[in-house]
Amino acid sequence: GEDVEQSLFLSVREGDSSVINCTYTDSSSTYLYWYKQEPGAGLQLLTYIFSNMDMKQDQRLTVLLNKKDKHLSLRIADTQTGDSAIYFCAEAYNNNDMRFGAGTRLTVKP
Amino acid sequence: DVKVTQSSRYLVKRTGEKVFLECVQDMDHENMFWYRQDPGLGLRLIYFSYDVKMKEKGDIPEGYSVSREKKERFSLILESASTNQTSMYLCASSPISYFEAFFGQGTRLTVV
Repeated sequence: GEDVEQSLFLSVREGDSSVINCTYTDSSSTYLYWYKQEPGAGLQLLTYIFSNMDMKQDQRLTVLLNKKDKHLSLRIADTQTGDSAIYFCAEAYNNNDMRFGAGTRLTVKP
Repeated sequence: DVKVTQSSRYLVKRTGEKVFLECVQDMDHENMFWYRQDPGLGLRLIYFSYDVKMKEKGDIPEGYSVSREKKERFSLILESASTNQTSMYLCASSPISYFEAFFGQGTRLTVV
């Protein structure tokens, strides 16, 4: 079946850039999302990209979409300890459904 | 701000009990969802509802049922709880145009 895949762990030093990668398999996906989950909390939308875009930048966040390879990435510049969280890649399709990856746990070391 | 509220943060239930997880949203959203979150598996959709009294099965509906009698409230029911249903349960809502899903804080259910 269709699957959204992402690595489970990433560790970086404070001040470095973090890059979290994701692959998806449904080419009909309309929106692609990055959600952030902090400890003990629900998911919060971090950023999104329309499927007809290649790149979106929002302050320290850069989303890159390679539709040909079905690859989505999230880059966090100048990573801070407050960025430590689980980051979920997700795709929206069929108007009413959303498929999530397993989540990448980002650990930021001081 | 959109608020999605789940009735409990933590629940401990016995095997075989009937369990109700309640979710309320205050933004008049048409769509509501129940997911379970397990380590290494991400979020998996159990059921969703796109209107009052309407429901659709997600990827893992077995052992669960849902109820949506009012637009703002979506209940997840475990008819007979089992230990493999120990998990974090997340409720979400979104408008019909489906741009963004808003999540509740989650209910950590332990079945003993």
